[in-house]
Amino acid sequence: GDSVTQMEGPVTLSEEAFLTINCTYTATGYPSLFWYVQYPGEGLQLLLKATKADDKGSNKGFEATYRKETTSFHLEKGSVQVSDSAVYFCARNQAGTALIFGKGTTLSVSS
Amino acid sequence: KAGVTQTPRYLIKTRGQQVTLSCSPISGHRSVSWYQQTPGQGLQFLFEYFSETQRNKGNFPGRFSGRQFSNSRSEMNVSTLELGDSALYLCASSLETGKRDTEAFFGQGTRLTVV
Repeated sequence: GDSVTQMEGPVTLSEEAFLTINCTYTATGYPSLFWYVQYPGEGLQLLLKATKADDKGSNKGFEATYRKETTSFHLEKGSVQVSDSAVYFCARNQAGTALIFGKGTTLSVSS
Repeated sequence: KAGVTQTPRYLIKTRGQQVTLSCSPISGHRSVSWYQQTPGQGLQFLFEYFSETQRNKGNFPGRFSGRQFSNSRSEMNVSTLELGDSALYLCASSLETGKRDTEAFFGQGTRLTVV
């Protein structure tokens, strides 16, 4: 069935370091792809999305490009901040508004 | 504009009991989806309701059920609780259903502990 695979965490970085979190998806149909972020004690917030091949989603310095040839949607940020510490989820849509999520990657940024 | 509201935030139940969780979507949103989040399985889709009709269902046993009211508020019910049902239950609302780029807005969740 459809699935999303993202790199295992935790990822520990120093402030201003470069961040990459890898995400690959099953290519059934033409999914939209999403990155959600979950801060401690809160629900998920949409970080960015891309709806077709070669689309680049971006928000708050984070970027991800929809790569159909490699079925990937890697999340990147050039310079992370302590406030970026959270759990990041890669997701693809399935039917209706149903989302299939990766297992999540915990990011910890220290000053 | 108020966000997605889930009540209660925390709940402790005993094995074998049943529980009802509530979700009020963003005003004007007609689609409500439910997800279960556990450390082992991650986030898993339970079901989606749109205009009071279940549109999609995930791979969960029949003990998990839900409904949606005419004002789009939704409830989910879990009967005969098992220890493994302990999880964070998240509700997400969307303006519509069927469009693959529709954004889902999540509530803070209900933390259910089964003892």
